[in-house]
Amino acid sequence: DARVTQTPRHKVTEMGQEVTMRCQPILGHNTVFWYRQTMMQGLELLAYFRNRAPLDDSGMPKDRFSAEMPDATLATLKIQPSEPRDSAVYFCASGLVTRRDATNEQFFGPGTRLTVL
Amino acid sequence: KQEVTQIPAALSVPEGENLVLNCSFTDSAIYNLQWFRQDPGKGLTSLLLIQSSQREQTSGRLNASLDKSSGRSTLYIAASQPGDSATYLCAVPAYGGATNKLIFGTGTLLAVQP
Repeated sequence: DARVTQTPRHKVTEMGQEVTMRCQPILGHNTVFWYRQTMMQGLELLAYFRNRAPLDDSGMPKDRFSAEMPDATLATLKIQPSEPRDSAVYFCASGLVTRRDATNEQFFGPGTRLTVL
Repeated sequence: KQEVTQIPAALSVPEGENLVLNCSFTDSAIYNLQWFRQDPGKGLTSLLLIQSSQREQTSGRLNASLDKSSGRSTLYIAASQPGDSATYLCAVPAYGGATNKLIFGTGTLLAVQP
């Protein structure tokens, strides 16, 4: 049963602390996305990777957020330092993109619910 | 800039009723449209993906249609059940540049009353 996994599922931290969220995409998928969901903004794309290379991180605050793919089975999203306004649910999604400039089906992980006090 | 709107924002129906959820998008140059379901506190589950060359897709009691020229998609749920209660989101790819990002609608919160 292939699925995207994310850890941790819940994280409560204090302002100023570093937060690292991890994602394991579905084996064989070549594209990984990081989204953030809040009540006010809905779902927003933060960054995405194709074949481990970052393609777009324009949705991510560069001063405190960083996203990497150390290998094909792991994607990380790091916030340093964290702030209360970062409180949200962070979703990872993966997909197999087979045609340039075409978004094929995306499969979402269960999310990491982050609370920054 | 692509914008996606969903109407209604919330819907409550009695069990057994057929219902339609609406999705509108401003830029008709899309490659596909995807419908998702999100249960409270959970991630998104892909329901249906319609390619731009298709008019509709069906999966069980769900039927999604796509009219690119008018910038609309509908999700039809037949014989609704309490287990269908969730938030339904539609999404389309952003066009131009890095086009693998999805632009999501605001969602429709569906409650099916037993």
